[in-house]
Amino acid sequence: NAGVTQTPKFRVLKTGQSMTLLCAQDMNHEYMYWYRQDPGMGLRLIHYSVGEGTTAKGEVPDGYNVSRLKKQNFLLGLESAAPSQTSVYFCASRLGLAGITDTQYFGPGTRLTVL
Amino acid sequence: GENVEQHPSTLSVQEGDSAVIKCTYSDSASNYFPWYKQELGKRPQLIIDIRSNVGEKKDQRIAVTLNKTAKHFSLHITETQPEDSAVYFCAASTGGFKTIFGAGTRLFVKA
Repeated sequence: NAGVTQTPKFRVLKTGQSMTLLCAQDMNHEYMYWYRQDPGMGLRLIHYSVGEGTTAKGEVPDGYNVSRLKKQNFLLGLESAAPSQTSVYFCASRLGLAGITDTQYFGPGTRLTVL
Repeated sequence: GENVEQHPSTLSVQEGDSAVIKCTYSDSASNYFPWYKQELGKRPQLIIDIRSNVGEKKDQRIAVTLNKTAKHFSLHITETQPEDSAVYFCAASTGGFKTIFGAGTRLFVKA
C-alpha cells in the first residue's frame, strides 16, 4: 500500500514549456486535490475532484488544467509554464464517504522550477 | 468566504517548554479540525484531529482544544523536543469537498 504518490519529484522547465504532473493513490479514495505551496503562503487549492470523471476549480486555478480519467489518478497540467508557477505541488486524497468528514493524505510533493 | 487564521507565524521555544498554536475559523458549519506537521522538504502529515462534538483530545505530548462558541481551536505541545521543530498547519472542514488551511506556524525548538 503506497498511499499517495507523485511523479516527478523534481522538474525544471523553461517559460512556455508544458508538462503534466501525475498523482496516484491506491486507497480507493473518491476525492483528490492539487495544492501549491509557496514560502509563507501555506497550501492553496488549485483544482479538485470528487470522483472519476469530475473536476472543479479551487482557489488558484488559472494556468492549470486537470483530468481524472481513472479513480486512482489525478493529473495536473501546465500548458505554458510561467515563472510564477515555480512552487512545490502537493497532491492529496481522502476517502469521501457521504456525511463523514475525513482526513486528507498528502503525496510527497513535486518541486517545480520555471526559468 | 471561508477563512482560517493561524497565530503565531513563527514560534521559538526552549527544549522542554510548551508550545501553543492558535487558529480561528470563520465558517460556523465547520465540524472537523485536523492538524498537520510538515518537516523540511517533506509532505504534511496528520498529527491529531478533533471533531466538533468534542472539546479536547490528547495524544501523548500533543493535545487539541476546540471552542465552538468562539470558533477557536488550539494545538498544545508539551515537553517539546528538537524533533518537534517543523511547520504546523491547522485546518477546518465542513464535511464538504474542501478543507481550509491556515498559513502555518514555523516552530523552532532550541536544544
